[in-house]
Amino acid sequence: SQKIEQNSEALNIQEGKTATLTCNYTNYSPAYLQWYRQDPGRGPVFLLLIRENEKEKRKERLKVTFDTTLKQSLFHITASQPADSATYLCALDISAGNMLTFGGGTRLMVKP
Amino acid sequence: GAGVSQSPSNKVTEKGKDVELRCDPISGHTALYWYRQSLGQGLEFLIYFQGNSAPDKSGLPSDRFSAERTGGSVSTLTIQRTQQEDSAVYLCASSLAVTQETQYFGPGTRLLVL
Repeated sequence: SQKIEQNSEALNIQEGKTATLTCNYTNYSPAYLQWYRQDPGRGPVFLLLIRENEKEKRKERLKVTFDTTLKQSLFHITASQPADSATYLCALDISAGNMLTFGGGTRLMVKP
Repeated sequence: GAGVSQSPSNKVTEKGKDVELRCDPISGHTALYWYRQSLGQGLEFLIYFQGNSAPDKSGLPSDRFSAERTGGSVSTLTIQRTQQEDSAVYLCASSLAVTQETQYFGPGTRLLVL
């Protein structure tokens, strides 16, 4: 069965450093992969989408890479800020119906 | 503009009772999704609607769960004879169309079954 793994342990980094979060998947070849941010008590908010034929995508301080051979995506936040503290979820499409399968999320804590 | 709204924001019920959770998608969005998120867990897909097509119910965990979408807009998720393991946050999302990958989520309904 499809499995998506994100580091369940919280990632603690110092303000100004680059945060790198990992998403690994097995048994599937998604057409695209998405990253969402979720704050406590709120629904996820879409951040970035990267397609299978794209190696890298950037948006302001965010960068996502997608290695379909390794079945892995890396999510980077450069010059991190305390306001970046949240849980970050990766999600893959598993059918033409655009149903997303989500990883368990990684909690990021940026300390001032 | 208005985002996805859900009601109630919190619901406490007793085991065995039925509950209804409501979702108002973004106006004009034809695709609507329900997910469940247990404490510290990722999102679990439950059901999705696309326009007037029959819903995909493949994620519903049991026949106690059902959902409908009236007039292609508002959706209601019903859980009958609630069990304690149904306690979770129920999230609704909508997208412009099934081919539109970005999903916009509501704030969720926090359900606690005592």
